[in-house]
Amino acid sequence: AQKITQTQPGMFVQEKEAVTLDCTYDTSDQSYGLFWYKQPSSGEMIFLIYQGSYDEQNATEGRYSLNFQKARKSANLVISASQLGDSAMYFCAMRGRSYNTDKLIFGTGTRLQVFP
Amino acid sequence: DSGVTQTPKHLITATGQRVTLRCSPRSGDLSVYWYQQSLDQGLQFLIQYYNGEERAKGNILERFSAQQFPDLHSELNLSSLELGDSALYFCASRGGEGETQYFGPGTRLLVL
Repeated sequence: AQKITQTQPGMFVQEKEAVTLDCTYDTSDQSYGLFWYKQPSSGEMIFLIYQGSYDEQNATEGRYSLNFQKARKSANLVISASQLGDSAMYFCAMRGRSYNTDKLIFGTGTRLQVFP
Repeated sequence: DSGVTQTPKHLITATGQRVTLRCSPRSGDLSVYWYQQSLDQGLQFLIQYYNGEERAKGNILERFSAQQFPDLHSELNLSSLELGDSALYFCASRGGEGETQYFGPGTRLLVL
């Protein structure tokens, strides 16, 4: 079965500092995708970054980068130069291609708080 | 703005009632997914449609049903509502060869 584990219920970071949010995954699929979404207090789910299992380079999107270590089955999100607006819940998710669906499986999330 | 729209934004109803949640995917996206986010269960996949046909079911109760119409919008019907059905319901869509599912703003359902 596929599973996403986020072990940090909450994280604090000072503005302008970098922060790493941990994510480990378990799957028997050879081809899969890993995603990070941000959920601010308003509730919407905002896509941040995607990493394919066959991508050789770590994905980057602006201040977001994904530290993908396939052998360790980890896909940590790194946010550089944190801003107050980064305070939110962050979810790691995985997409497999099993049983005719590409549904997302989510972790339990990490609440990030950025302080001045 | 993801391009996915959901209505209504908020819904308050009573136990035993039936409600319909509506989703319009991004223009041209054929795949629509429904997810439920609750405090005790987290984010869970409910059901997926592709171009009008049901593709997969997840942890969707028999009291819940969905469909995708020819114009690709989708509706999630929740009946015989219980207190435990209170949750945030998301619709997401994905198109073409893209990998990413884009989420709508969600419908927050409160069952009293």
